[in-house]
Amino acid sequence: TQLLEQSPQFLSIQEGENLTVYCNSSSVFSSLQWYRQEPGEGPVLLVTVVTGGEVKKLKRLTFQFGDARKDSSLHITAAQTGDTGLYLCAENYGGSQGNLIFGKGTKLSVKP
Amino acid sequence: DTGVSQDPRHKITKRGQNVTFRCDPISEHNRLYWYRQTLGQGPEFLTYFQNEAQLEKSRLLSDRFSAERPKGSFSTLEIQRTEQGDSAMYLCASGAFRDITGELFFGEGSRLTVL
Repeated sequence: TQLLEQSPQFLSIQEGENLTVYCNSSSVFSSLQWYRQEPGEGPVLLVTVVTGGEVKKLKRLTFQFGDARKDSSLHITAAQTGDTGLYLCAENYGGSQGNLIFGKGTKLSVKP
Repeated sequence: DTGVSQDPRHKITKRGQNVTFRCDPISEHNRLYWYRQTLGQGPEFLTYFQNEAQLEKSRLLSDRFSAERPKGSFSTLEIQRTEQGDSAMYLCASGAFRDITGELFFGEGSRLTVL
């Protein structure tokens, strides 16, 4: 079973700061998804990355997929209090196309 | 609202009782998933269905857990003889997988507390 490691586990920053969170694996990802989960709600998809070296931007969020497709990062510029939440990376496991395995997540708190 | 809905949102039960959760997926989605999430952790895969067929079950799904999707639409997850360790958020998700980048749409979850 592929293990997804996310770091840091917790991150507390002030509004306006930049941050980066990471997702790493011991194996090559077929594709990787990033989700955000707010308290009391289910995760919501932010982005899917497929190609090694791929960079995707979603407003102030920048997602990178490593060249070897074994790691990914999420960078947030000028964080806002609304960015607070649990950031999860997930990967399709075992070629069954849809059985997503999640990392433990990075819990981000952005303070005003 | 045409999103994934789950019922009940909260359930408090005594140890040893049986509980059942229901999930109504997005209507055009053929795949339905159950995940369990404990505080501070990411969702853990339990099982999934393609239409009415249960295609995969995690080893986390002990024999006290059973899931069904009888007509390929809604699904139920039953936990028999609940234990305190079953306390968690049970998340349902659905998707329509046409390629490897398929997105899962999650419900708001059913939170179980076993006393």
